Amino acid sequence: GAGVSQSPSNKVTEKGKDVELRCDPISGHTALYWYRQSLGQGLEFLIYFQGNSAPDKSGLPSDRFSAERTGGSVSTLTIQRTQQEDSAVYLCASSLGRQGSGRKAFFGQGTRLTVV
Amino acid sequence: QQPVQSPQAVILREGEDAVINCSSSKALYSVHWYRQKHGEAPVFLMILLKGGEQKGHDKISASFNEKKQQSSLYLTASQLSYSGTYFCGTEIRYNTDKLIFGTGTRLQVFP
Repeated sequence: GAGVSQSPSNKVTEKGKDVELRCDPISGHTALYWYRQSLGQGLEFLIYFQGNSAPDKSGLPSDRFSAERTGGSVSTLTIQRTQQEDSAVYLCASSLGRQGSGRKAFFGQGTRLTVV
Repeated sequence: QQPVQSPQAVILREGEDAVINCSSSKALYSVHWYRQKHGEAPVFLMILLKGGEQKGHDKISASFNEKKQQSSLYLTASQLSYSGTYFCGTEIRYNTDKLIFGTGTRLQVFP
């Protein structure tokens, strides 16, 4: 596609429910990132996929969070048993990846998650 | 590991200049700068690689001092369109592409 696509754009869920957020990266981009942005805050790193390598999960805040990337393309971020503090905008980004460094990241419009 | 940006917020009149700093406690391989307008996704501005280079983009330029582990973004003769939140993204190892973003600097330009 022309850019990074995320769905849904908005999600309201009840506390305790599970949610799945989807990211379609730019075709050919091998690197994919998930970030979380709470209201008025910075970009908190969650997880990073690079090609077929094991993902870097060092930013996931708890074991309720998980992510997968199928076929080196689409990624799904799953939050189980959602809590109110999970409310935030979840941003996905992709880049051309590990070909020397300095590859710029393209961000999607994000999914705004509200846990009520 | 998260880089620290300063100042946290800047208010300018059109035509004024500003400097935004990004400091890391880790040695850096590269620094990326992004701008995010309200309600929009962050957009890439520039990348600076290890080597102390300085880059420019219209009236926005940046420098990278690897010894001090910091980068500075310079906005010259600011325009209304410069308003937004600026983030630096840092890469601490070559060939990882893992970006850790700073705390952000909110810039507002008024007529």
